[in-house]
Amino acid sequence: KNEVEQSPQNLTAQEGEFITINCSYSVGISALHWLQQHPGGGIVSLFMLSSGKKKHGRLIATINIQEKHSSLHITASHPRDSAVYICAVPQGGSEKLVFGKGTKLTVNP
Amino acid sequence: DTEVTQTPKHLVMGMTNKKSLKCEQHMGHRAMYWYKQKAKKPPELMFVYSYEKLSINESVPSRFSPECPNSSLLNLHLHALQPEDSALYLCASSRSPVLDSNQPQHFGDGTRLSIL
Repeated sequence: KNEVEQSPQNLTAQEGEFITINCSYSVGISALHWLQQHPGGGIVSLFMLSSGKKKHGRLIATINIQEKHSSLHITASHPRDSAVYICAVPQGGSEKLVFGKGTKLTVNP
Repeated sequence: DTEVTQTPKHLVMGMTNKKSLKCEQHMGHRAMYWYKQKAKKPPELMFVYSYEKLSINESVPSRFSPECPNSSLLNLHLHALQPEDSALYLCASSRSPVLDSNQPQHFGDGTRLSIL
């Protein structure tokens, strides 16, 4: 079973700061997912990546397949970025996703 | 706005009630999922439907009964629930149930369920 570790668990930043959230996993994968969950509950899929880097607005996700590590970066952070960010990877041979415990980000104005 | 619609958004029920949670998507996705999420924990997979057939049941108690009437709809029937079943229930879908899938899952906003 793939084990997923995220760090940090909690992160507080001032508006405008550059944010990095890390995710490590134990078993080789074909793709990794970054998800965002706001306090209301709904989950939004931010990225799915299998190599290199992807960018969407102020969000950047990178993955190093050899090191089994991914990072999510937020540039020029804003209070509306406050949410829980979750990393998830497929459990080999099934439709299951294995989720990290999430990183709770709070961006203060 | 999410492309996966869940109703109701909130539900309060007694332990003897029977209720149903509904999930709908019109993206032509052929895999649909039910997750349970307790506060400050990641989602836990309950069921997966692939091409309207149940493909994964994560040893969920029989008081939860899923149903997939067609490719756009997924229901979760609830009966004789316990207080510990209070949680956020999330539905998700993906384009196809490819093993070791490389496809994103699209989540609904969830139903917040409280059992009295």
